Amino acid sequence: GDSVTQMEGPVTLSEEAFLTINCTYTATGYPSLFWYVQYPGEGLQLLLKATKADDKGSNKGFEATYRKETTSFHLEKGSVQVSDSAVYFCALSDPNTGGFKTIFGAGTRLFVKA
Amino acid sequence: GAGVSQSPSNKVTEKGKDVELRCDPISGHTALYWYRQSLGQGLEFLIYFQGNSAPDKSGLPSDRFSAERTGGSVSTLTIQRTQQEDSAVYLCASSSLAGDSFNQPQHFGDGTRLSIL
Repeated sequence: GDSVTQMEGPVTLSEEAFLTINCTYTATGYPSLFWYVQYPGEGLQLLLKATKADDKGSNKGFEATYRKETTSFHLEKGSVQVSDSAVYFCALSDPNTGGFKTIFGAGTRLFVKA
Repeated sequence: GAGVSQSPSNKVTEKGKDVELRCDPISGHTALYWYRQSLGQGLEFLIYFQGNSAPDKSGLPSDRFSAERTGGSVSTLTIQRTQQEDSAVYLCASSSLAGDSFNQPQHFGDGTRLSIL
């Protein structure tokens, strides 16, 4: 079945450091891929998405490129801020299942130190 | 309303009691999902509803868990004879089925934090 694997956390970085959170997936079809973020004390919210191969999703300085050849959707940011401290979830939605059953990774907690 | 609304935001109850959690999805969203998030864990899919179709209950952990969605809108998640391992944050999400449904992101509520004593 479909699955999402993301790097274990926590990830601790200093402010202005480069961030990469790895995410790989398995799917029977050609899924849409998402990154969701959960800030402390808040609900999950969509950060960015990509719907087909080679698409790049971007938002708030974060980027992720849909790589079909490596089945990956790694999240990157060139210079993190303390306010980026949160839990990040990679997810996929597979049209072969009608897209209704989004599969989430386990989440990666990011701590950014001033 | 503007977003997904869940109530109560916090619920503390004794082991063995029944609890009901409520979710009001975004108006017009026909897909509704329930997840469970235990401390330090990812999201565990519980159930989803889509329009008038039979719900996918494949994620419900036991027969103590059930959910309904009345009139295609509000949903309630019921846990009977609660156990301590049921303590978690229960999240509800909704999404639109406009266009390609699998492209549509889910919009999450703030969750209900359930604590079983």
